[in-house]
Amino acid sequence: QQQVKQSPQSLIVQKGGIPIINCAYENTAFDYFPWYQQFPGKGPALLIAIRPDVSEKKEGRFTISFNKSAKQFSLHIMDSQPGDSATYFCAASIEEKLVFGKGTKLTVNP
Amino acid sequence: KAGVTQTPRYLIKTRGQQVTLSCSPISGHRSVSWYQQTPGQGLQFLFEYFSETQRNKGNFPGRFSGRQFSNSRSEMNVSTLELGDSALYLCASSLNTLNTEAFFGQGTRLTVV
Repeated sequence: QQQVKQSPQSLIVQKGGIPIINCAYENTAFDYFPWYQQFPGKGPALLIAIRPDVSEKKEGRFTISFNKSAKQFSLHIMDSQPGDSATYFCAASIEEKLVFGKGTKLTVNP
Repeated sequence: KAGVTQTPRYLIKTRGQQVTLSCSPISGHRSVSWYQQTPGQGLQFLFEYFSETQRNKGNFPGRFSGRQFSNSRSEMNVSTLELGDSALYLCASSLNTLNTEAFFGQGTRLTVV
């Protein structure tokens, strides 16, 4: 099953809040899990990525938590800012392709 | 270091026509992949090329084709355009494989009328 299920579809938080976006997968052959941020009219920009042998990775205000046994991973955005308002996509890599979740539209209110 | 460059940025075509989109990867990157992005289906994989060879292809009809040149630049072609082909077409480049960092271009917005 080469799907990645992403939730929620949309998320509204106040400035300084910690939005959490979750993704789940079935195929244990996935070997790399990136997160992308996309602003309207732009291509997706790589934010942070993790491999399945690591349980957590932090880069700046962005943290990925990875639970291999549950086949789930999530993105946390610390101290969120209005400039973080964008659509976020999780993805998983297999056989030279990325399988994307459906995206989460995040709105951070001032 | 220049990013991934896609041309043209916008395109309007009529049903039945064909179109060619171009992608120049980041210098030194040898893997180029293409994705279609629509509001309904999200981001869907079209195909991936490495050293002029197609290594994987997504579930799209044969009207969608691509190629990669010796300088790693890539083109994709869509023949006999249908209204449903209207989408943002994105190209991504990575050093060797897609389980390393992949960087996307801004995309080509194709509208079929």
